[in-house]
Amino acid sequence: DAGVIQSPRHEVTEMGQEVTLRCKPISGHNSLFWYRQTMMRGLELLIYFNNNVPIDDSGMPEDRFSAKMPNASFSTLKIQPSEPRDSAVYFCASSLVTSGKDYNEQFFGPGTRLTVL
Amino acid sequence: QKEVEQDPGPLSVPEGAIVSLNCTYSNSAFQYFMWYRQYSRKGPELLMYTYSSGNKEDGRFTAQVDKSSKYISLFIRDSQPSDSATYLCAMKRPEYGNKLVFGAGTILRVKS
Repeated sequence: DAGVIQSPRHEVTEMGQEVTLRCKPISGHNSLFWYRQTMMRGLELLIYFNNNVPIDDSGMPEDRFSAKMPNASFSTLKIQPSEPRDSAVYFCASSLVTSGKDYNEQFFGPGTRLTVL
Repeated sequence: QKEVEQDPGPLSVPEGAIVSLNCTYSNSAFQYFMWYRQYSRKGPELLMYTYSSGNKEDGRFTAQVDKSSKYISLFIRDSQPSDSATYLCAMKRPEYGNKLVFGAGTILRVKS
């Protein structure tokens, strides 16, 4: 079975440009997470969706960041305009949330390494 | 103060050593505790999870939770070079929904 798929794997862009990161969760999973990982701040949750609906976006750093999940098979994280401090590895993860179960394993994708010059 | 504290290391040990990795946390509401392993340039993968206090063993790996001290540990017996990775602890509070809070991760290097 395919795991979580992210594209592109690497992105190099210049400050001020728009960046779009893409994620395809594991088929059948109903919860999707976007994380950012840096040496300074570690792994931080940016936003997560349940059944395509954003539930918690308190980790989104500022208005330059936006995320969408138009259907159960696809999500995007957009940064506009990008800044050098956005350079990081961005991970997407998915999970199957079932009622009555407090813990559900999150499966991570391989990440997108973003460099903003 | 961060909710979850973890020493970033690196921790370097010889092959066959027993490794102890630890995290402390500040909020007693955390009830689910996880250890993720992350190889270089890969996504984290779940290694073990425990609910509340106690021990859990899986092969060479043992996870311990001491809620009274707000302290969790991961022990690796007979460490192998293939165990070289970053180990991240993560925690969850029931009222947080599916949100996990991660430690900074400890870099482990097992030398052959």
